[in-house]
Amino acid sequence: DAGVTQSPTHLIKTRGQQVTLRCSPKSGHDTVSWYQQALGQGPQFIFQYYEEEERQRGNFPDRFSGHQFPNYSSELNVNALLLGDSALYLCASSPGASTHEQYFGPGTRLTVT
Amino acid sequence: ILNVEQSPQSLHVQEGDSTNFTCSFPSSNFYALHWYRWETAKSPEALFVMTLNGDEKKKGRISATLNTKEGYSYLYIKGSQPEDSATYLCAFDTDKLIFGTGTRLQVFP
Repeated sequence: DAGVTQSPTHLIKTRGQQVTLRCSPKSGHDTVSWYQQALGQGPQFIFQYYEEEERQRGNFPDRFSGHQFPNYSSELNVNALLLGDSALYLCASSPGASTHEQYFGPGTRLTVT
Repeated sequence: ILNVEQSPQSLHVQEGDSTNFTCSFPSSNFYALHWYRWETAKSPEALFVMTLNGDEKKKGRISATLNTKEGYSYLYIKGSQPEDSATYLCAFDTDKLIFGTGTRLQVFP
């Protein structure tokens, strides 16, 4: 059983560009949460998708948007990239919007130059 | 703004030493407290989910306690091994996880 997978592993983008990160949840999980971990910080909650809708959102600007597909996989999109968006982006999946059983992927390292 | 704090920030111990870290969180509106273990280049791995005041959970040499009234949790590692080297994160659960900055543990042989 594959766990949570994320792609790509690493990504380098230029300021002002747009980026899309992808996440496939663990088998049997229907909820995907996204986190940003900047250097020296703990992971910060961006948003959560359940039943193809954004269920909760953290304190992130509208430049951060997402999508969940019928197969429960998810994308995180960031527009108009800033240098400060450089971070590790983690995806976590869980069954039924539960926080008690969140399984994390290995993350996508985004560098904005 | 909810604040979750972990201490120490980093810890270097010798193999065989026992160690412990602290996680402080808001004492009101408690729902759950999570501990994760995160090895470099791997995914964070769930250790414990703690929900009741006075809870004590154990997994092998690792155990955790919870005090919701004063807002802290301790994670203990007995007889540290080099494979315990990782960052240990706690997360306060408010129906979304609010993480601390982690304690980075290095165990030297």
